[in-house]
Amino acid sequence: GEQVEQRPPHLSVREGDSAVITCTYTDPNSYYFFWYKQEPGASLQLLMKVFSSTEINEGQGFTVLLNKKDKRLSLNLTAAHPGDSAAYFCAVSGHTGNYKYVFGAGTRLKVIA
Amino acid sequence: EAAVTQSPRSKVAVTGGKVTLSCHQTNNHDYMYWYRQDTGHGLRLIHYSYVADSTEKGDIPDGYKASRPSQENFSLILELASLSQTAVYFCASSDKPGGSQNTLYFGAGTRLSVL
Repeated sequence: GEQVEQRPPHLSVREGDSAVITCTYTDPNSYYFFWYKQEPGASLQLLMKVFSSTEINEGQGFTVLLNKKDKRLSLNLTAAHPGDSAAYFCAVSGHTGNYKYVFGAGTRLKVIA
Repeated sequence: EAAVTQSPRSKVAVTGGKVTLSCHQTNNHDYMYWYRQDTGHGLRLIHYSYVADSTEKGDIPDGYKASRPSQENFSLILELASLSQTAVYFCASSDKPGGSQNTLYFGAGTRLSVL
């Protein structure tokens, strides 16, 4: 079945620096890709959902890149600030008939002021 | 805004006791899920359901049962709680997976400590 590897498990950056988190997946039929943010003691909040046909998506203060050829998904936080300190999880799901959302193990990001 | 409500928010249970975690969603979603999160780790799927009165095993179902009495409600049952089941449990709901609207909406989580 699908396997998702997320790197790095821990990341510490200074305020204003960029932070890059990467997930690689194994199933070439994976179609939907998600990034979730989990603040300490809180639930998971959806940051962005991307589809197979899109390659670059920009949110507020971050960019999501999808490289289907390399089966790689990345989250790039530009100019990180302390409020970005949290755990980030990628998740992957298939297309029709696939119930599963497979999660990466998470990246604990700390932004130092 | 999607709404998934879990109860209780925290629970202390004794080894060998029975524990029931409840989840209620108002999203009109067919799919509901129970995930387990261990400290410093990602989420693992325990059970899921796509229709009332039916449940399916996820990746780590051993030691857990699930019940879906209605579209809105999904329970996770630990008949004989064990120390290894200490974790945070998240309920989630979604529209049909694979569709363009599919997104997991999570509840706030239940922190379970088994002593």
